[in-house]
Amino acid sequence: NAGVMQNPRHLVRRRGQEARLRCSPMKGHSHVYWYRQLPEEGLKFMVYLQKENIIDESGMPKERFSAEFPKEGPSILRIQQVVRGDSAAYFCASSPNWRGEETQYFGPGTRLLVL
Amino acid sequence: DQQVKQNSPSLSVQEGRISILNCDYTNSMFDYFLWYKKYPAEGPTFLISISSIKDKNEDGRFTVFLNKSAKHLSLHIVPSQPGDSAVYFCAASAKSGGYQKVTFGTGTKLQVIP
Repeated sequence: NAGVMQNPRHLVRRRGQEARLRCSPMKGHSHVYWYRQLPEEGLKFMVYLQKENIIDESGMPKERFSAEFPKEGPSILRIQQVVRGDSAAYFCASSPNWRGEETQYFGPGTRLLVL
Repeated sequence: DQQVKQNSPSLSVQEGRISILNCDYTNSMFDYFLWYKKYPAEGPTFLISISSIKDKNEDGRFTVFLNKSAKHLSLHIVPSQPGDSAVYFCAASAKSGGYQKVTFGTGTKLQVIP
Protein backbone atom coordinates (compact mmCIF):
# COMPACT_ATOMS: atom_id res chain seq x y z
CA ASN A 1 0.00 0.00 0.00
CA ALA A 2 1.81 3.05 -1.24
CA GLY A 3 2.10 5.96 1.12
CA VAL A 4 1.55 9.63 0.37
CA MET A 5 3.47 10.59 -2.74
CA GLN A 6 4.78 14.03 -3.46
CA ASN A 7 6.59 15.29 -6.51
CA PRO A 8 8.89 16.73 -7.30
CA ARG A 9 11.05 16.14 -4.23
CA HIS A 10 13.16 19.16 -5.06
CA LEU A 11 12.17 22.17 -7.13
CA VAL A 12 14.28 25.16 -8.07
CA ARG A 13 12.63 28.25 -9.44
CA ARG A 14 13.74 31.76 -10.23
CA ARG A 15 11.89 34.73 -8.80
CA GLY A 16 8.70 35.40 -10.75
CA GLN A 17 8.26 31.86 -12.01
CA GLU A 18 5.47 29.48 -11.06
CA ALA A 19 5.84 26.44 -8.80
CA ARG A 20 3.50 23.46 -8.97
CA LEU A 21 3.66 20.89 -6.21
CA ARG A 22 1.79 17.62 -6.51
CA CYS A 23 0.43 15.29 -3.86
CA SER A 24 -1.16 11.89 -4.27
CA PRO A 25 -2.85 10.78 -1.04
CA MET A 26 -2.78 7.28 0.32
CA LYS A 27 -5.22 4.87 -1.30
CA GLY A 28 -8.63 5.27 0.25
CA HIS A 29 -7.89 8.71 1.67
CA SER A 30 -10.06 11.56 0.51
CA HIS A 31 -8.73 14.34 2.74
CA VAL A 32 -5.58 16.26 1.93
CA TYR A 33 -3.72 18.84 3.99
CA TRP A 34 -0.82 21.05 2.95
CA TYR A 35 1.76 22.36 5.40
CA ARG A 36 4.80 24.57 5.01
CA GLN A 37 7.97 24.36 7.04
CA LEU A 38 10.23 27.36 6.85
CA PRO A 39 13.89 26.90 7.86
CA GLU A 40 14.24 26.42 11.62
CA GLU A 41 10.49 26.57 12.12
CA GLY A 42 7.65 24.13 12.71
CA LEU A 43 4.90 22.93 10.43
CA LYS A 44 2.42 25.63 9.50
CA PHE A 45 -1.01 24.63 8.26
CA MET A 46 -1.90 26.04 4.86
CA VAL A 47 -5.01 24.39 3.46
CA TYR A 48 -7.35 21.43 3.89
CA LEU A 49 -9.12 19.95 0.90
CA GLN A 50 -11.51 17.17 0.09
CA LYS A 51 -12.22 15.99 -3.43
CA GLU A 52 -13.26 19.06 -5.45
CA ASN A 53 -13.69 21.17 -2.31
CA ILE A 54 -11.54 23.54 -0.29
CA ILE A 55 -12.63 23.11 3.32
CA ASP A 56 -10.23 25.44 5.11
CA GLU A 57 -7.69 27.73 3.48
CA SER A 58 -7.13 29.96 6.49
CA GLY A 59 -3.39 29.29 6.50
CA MET A 60 -2.83 30.09 2.86
CA PRO A 61 -1.41 33.47 1.86
CA LYS A 62 -4.13 35.47 0.16
CA GLU A 63 -2.12 36.18 -2.96
CA ARG A 64 -0.14 33.99 -5.32
CA PHE A 65 -1.04 30.71 -3.59
CA SER A 66 -3.82 28.35 -4.65
CA ALA A 67 -4.68 24.71 -4.11
CA GLU A 68 -6.96 22.19 -5.70
CA PHE A 69 -7.90 18.55 -5.31
CA PRO A 70 -9.75 17.50 -8.45
CA LYS A 71 -12.04 14.53 -8.78
CA GLU A 72 -9.32 12.72 -10.67
CA GLY A 73 -5.62 13.12 -10.14
CA PRO A 74 -3.39 14.53 -7.45
CA SER A 75 -3.83 17.57 -5.28
CA ILE A 76 -1.90 20.57 -6.59
CA LEU A 77 -0.41 23.44 -4.61
CA ARG A 78 0.37 26.28 -6.99
CA ILE A 79 2.56 29.26 -6.19
CA GLN A 80 2.59 32.01 -8.77
CA GLN A 81 5.36 34.59 -9.15
CA VAL A 82 7.52 32.97 -6.51
CA VAL A 83 9.69 35.09 -4.22
CA ARG A 84 12.72 34.09 -2.14
CA GLY A 85 10.57 33.95 0.99
CA ASP A 86 8.64 31.05 -0.54
CA SER A 87 11.72 28.83 -0.17
CA ALA A 88 10.63 26.12 2.23
CA ALA A 89 9.68 22.49 2.55
CA TYR A 90 6.07 21.85 1.62
CA PHE A 91 4.47 18.76 3.08
CA CYS A 92 1.26 17.10 2.09
CA ALA A 93 -0.67 14.81 4.42
CA SER A 94 -3.76 12.70 3.93
CA SER A 95 -6.33 11.08 6.16
CA PRO A 96 -9.30 8.81 5.59
CA ASN A 97 -11.78 11.17 7.21
CA TRP A 98 -12.09 14.52 8.85
CA ARG A 99 -11.79 13.54 12.49
CA GLY A 100 -8.59 14.81 14.02
CA GLU A 101 -7.98 11.59 15.87
CA GLU A 102 -7.48 9.85 12.58
CA THR A 103 -3.78 10.14 11.96
CA GLN A 104 -2.56 12.32 9.15
CA TYR A 105 -0.03 10.50 7.03
CA PHE A 106 2.66 12.71 5.57
CA GLY A 107 4.49 12.58 2.30
CA PRO A 108 8.25 13.12 2.01
CA GLY A 109 7.83 16.77 1.11
CA THR A 110 8.86 19.03 -1.73
CA ARG A 111 11.78 21.32 -1.06
CA LEU A 112 11.34 24.53 -3.00
CA LEU A 113 14.30 26.79 -3.55
CA VAL A 114 13.72 30.18 -5.10
CA LEU A 115 16.82 31.78 -6.57
CA ASP B 1 -0.07 33.24 18.35
CA GLN B 2 1.63 29.90 18.98
CA GLN B 3 -1.03 27.69 20.51
CA VAL B 4 1.25 24.67 20.81
CA LYS B 5 4.67 25.35 22.23
CA GLN B 6 7.77 23.24 22.48
CA ASN B 7 10.11 25.42 24.45
CA SER B 8 13.19 23.23 24.13
CA PRO B 9 14.53 23.39 20.58
CA SER B 10 17.01 20.60 21.30
CA LEU B 11 17.77 17.82 23.77
CA SER B 12 20.74 15.47 24.17
CA VAL B 13 20.43 12.17 26.02
CA GLN B 14 22.75 9.22 26.56
CA GLU B 15 21.78 5.94 24.99
CA GLY B 16 19.79 3.80 27.41
CA ARG B 17 18.56 6.74 29.47
CA ILE B 18 15.15 8.33 29.43
CA SER B 19 14.27 11.11 26.98
CA ILE B 20 11.54 13.50 28.07
CA LEU B 21 10.12 15.89 25.51
CA ASN B 22 7.72 18.55 26.68
CA CYS B 23 4.88 20.43 25.08
CA ASP B 24 2.55 23.15 26.36
CA TYR B 25 -0.67 24.37 24.82
CA THR B 26 -2.94 27.33 25.37
CA ASN B 27 -6.20 26.36 23.68
CA SER B 28 -8.47 24.57 26.17
CA MET B 29 -10.59 23.33 23.24
CA PHE B 30 -7.87 20.91 22.12
CA ASP B 31 -9.21 17.40 22.67
CA TYR B 32 -6.68 15.19 20.93
CA PHE B 33 -2.91 15.25 21.05
CA LEU B 34 -0.30 13.61 18.87
CA TRP B 35 3.45 13.22 18.59
CA TYR B 36 5.21 12.96 15.26
CA LYS B 37 8.81 12.09 14.55
CA LYS B 38 10.74 13.52 11.64
CA TYR B 39 14.06 12.50 10.15
CA PRO B 40 15.97 14.91 7.88
CA ALA B 41 14.70 15.02 4.29
CA GLU B 42 11.65 12.94 5.19
CA GLY B 43 8.07 13.72 6.13
CA PRO B 44 6.82 13.47 9.73
CA THR B 45 5.64 10.04 10.82
CA PHE B 46 3.01 9.43 13.45
CA LEU B 47 4.35 8.12 16.75
CA ILE B 48 1.70 8.10 19.45
CA SER B 49 -1.47 9.95 20.43
CA ILE B 50 -3.72 10.57 23.40
CA SER B 51 -7.31 11.67 23.83
CA SER B 52 -8.11 14.42 26.31
CA ILE B 53 -10.17 11.97 28.36
CA LYS B 54 -7.01 10.05 29.23
CA ASP B 55 -3.87 11.02 31.10
CA LYS B 56 -1.51 8.37 29.82
CA ASN B 57 -0.98 6.26 26.74
CA GLU B 58 1.82 3.76 26.29
CA ASP B 59 3.19 2.05 23.20
CA GLY B 60 6.36 0.07 23.69
CA ARG B 61 9.19 2.40 24.62
CA PHE B 62 7.01 5.48 24.10
CA THR B 63 4.62 6.92 26.67
CA VAL B 64 2.66 10.15 26.41
CA PHE B 65 1.40 11.88 29.53
CA LEU B 66 -1.31 14.54 29.52
CA ASN B 67 -1.91 17.03 32.33
CA LYS B 68 -5.01 18.95 31.31
CA SER B 69 -5.04 21.27 34.28
CA ALA B 70 -1.53 22.42 33.43
CA LYS B 71 -2.16 22.26 29.66
CA HIS B 72 0.98 20.21 29.36
CA LEU B 73 1.92 16.96 27.72
CA SER B 74 5.14 15.05 27.56
CA LEU B 75 6.63 12.20 25.60
CA HIS B 76 8.86 9.72 27.42
CA ILE B 77 11.19 7.42 25.51
CA VAL B 78 12.69 4.62 27.58
CA PRO B 79 15.30 3.40 26.89
CA SER B 80 16.53 5.91 24.34
CA GLN B 81 18.29 4.53 21.28
CA PRO B 82 20.51 6.26 18.71
CA GLY B 83 17.83 5.62 16.07
CA ASP B 84 15.49 7.85 18.08
CA SER B 85 17.58 10.86 17.08
CA ALA B 86 15.16 13.03 15.14
CA VAL B 87 12.95 16.09 15.43
CA TYR B 88 9.81 15.47 17.46
CA PHE B 89 6.69 17.52 16.82
CA CYS B 90 3.88 17.85 19.31
CA ALA B 91 0.45 18.43 17.75
CA ALA B 92 -3.04 19.11 19.06
CA SER B 93 -6.43 19.12 17.43
CA ALA B 94 -9.72 20.90 18.10
CA LYS B 95 -12.96 21.26 16.22
CA SER B 96 -12.74 24.28 13.97
CA GLY B 97 -15.17 25.17 11.19
CA GLY B 98 -16.75 21.74 11.34
CA TYR B 99 -13.62 19.63 11.33
CA GLN B 100 -10.76 18.68 13.64
CA LYS B 101 -7.94 21.07 12.87
CA VAL B 102 -4.42 20.03 13.84
CA THR B 103 -1.90 22.57 15.12
CA PHE B 104 1.78 21.67 15.33
CA GLY B 105 4.48 22.87 17.66
CA THR B 106 7.88 24.04 16.47
CA GLY B 107 9.64 20.78 17.23
CA THR B 108 12.39 19.51 19.54
CA LYS B 109 15.52 18.01 18.06
CA LEU B 110 16.53 14.94 20.05
CA GLN B 111 20.05 13.60 19.89
CA VAL B 112 20.72 10.25 21.50
CA ILE B 113 24.41 9.83 22.14
CA PRO B 114 25.78 6.27 21.86
